Amino acid sequence: GQQLNQSPQSMFIQEGEDVSMNCTSSSIFNTWLWYKQDPGEGPVLLIALYKAGELTSNGRLTAQFGITRKDSFLNISASIPSDVGIYFCAGRTKTSYDKVIFGPGTSLSVIP
Amino acid sequence: EADIYQTPRYLVIGTGKKITLECSQTMGHDKMYWYQQDPGMELHLIHYSYGVNSTEKGDLSSESTVSRIRTEHFPLTLESARPSHTSQYLCASSPTRDRAYEQYFGPGTRLTVT
Repeated sequence: GQQLNQSPQSMFIQEGEDVSMNCTSSSIFNTWLWYKQDPGEGPVLLIALYKAGELTSNGRLTAQFGITRKDSFLNISASIPSDVGIYFCAGRTKTSYDKVIFGPGTSLSVIP
Repeated sequence: EADIYQTPRYLVIGTGKKITLECSQTMGHDKMYWYQQDPGMELHLIHYSYGVNSTEKGDLSSESTVSRIRTEHFPLTLESARPSHTSQYLCASSPTRDRAYEQYFGPGTRLTVT
């Protein structure tokens, strides 16, 4: 079946540093979504991408829809302690219909 | 901000009990979903619905059942809870047309079966 891989699996960074994470698949995706989940809460949608090459920002967050349609990237600039959480990528392929496939997540820790 | 609610937030229950996890949304979304998630792990789709009287099983086999009698309400029921059902259950909804794949999640119900 279709799978998403996220890297890194976890990361520890100093406050103020920039963060990069990515999401890859062997399948072509039509939609990419990035979510953040705080402990004990539901995921919150950060950014949605709909076109290959699309670059979208939401505050300090920037995400890109890879040109091959098989990957997506999320960058966080000038990290702060509240950025701590698990970041999930998710996406939809032509054959997943209305279902969205979620990646395994990247756990981010920010050291003050 | 998404208006999707789940109750209870936490539930500890004994083996063999019947439980219903409630999920309601006030956004008028036709599509609703239930996911199961172990702490820090990925989300697994267990049920979804395209609208009233529509329910489908997801990718992960589950002993739970769902119903969709009203657009805003999508409860999940376990007839006989077992320790293997211990997990976090997340409800989500999405619009039908514009941005149809952007799912909005509730806060989750953390279920512990003893």
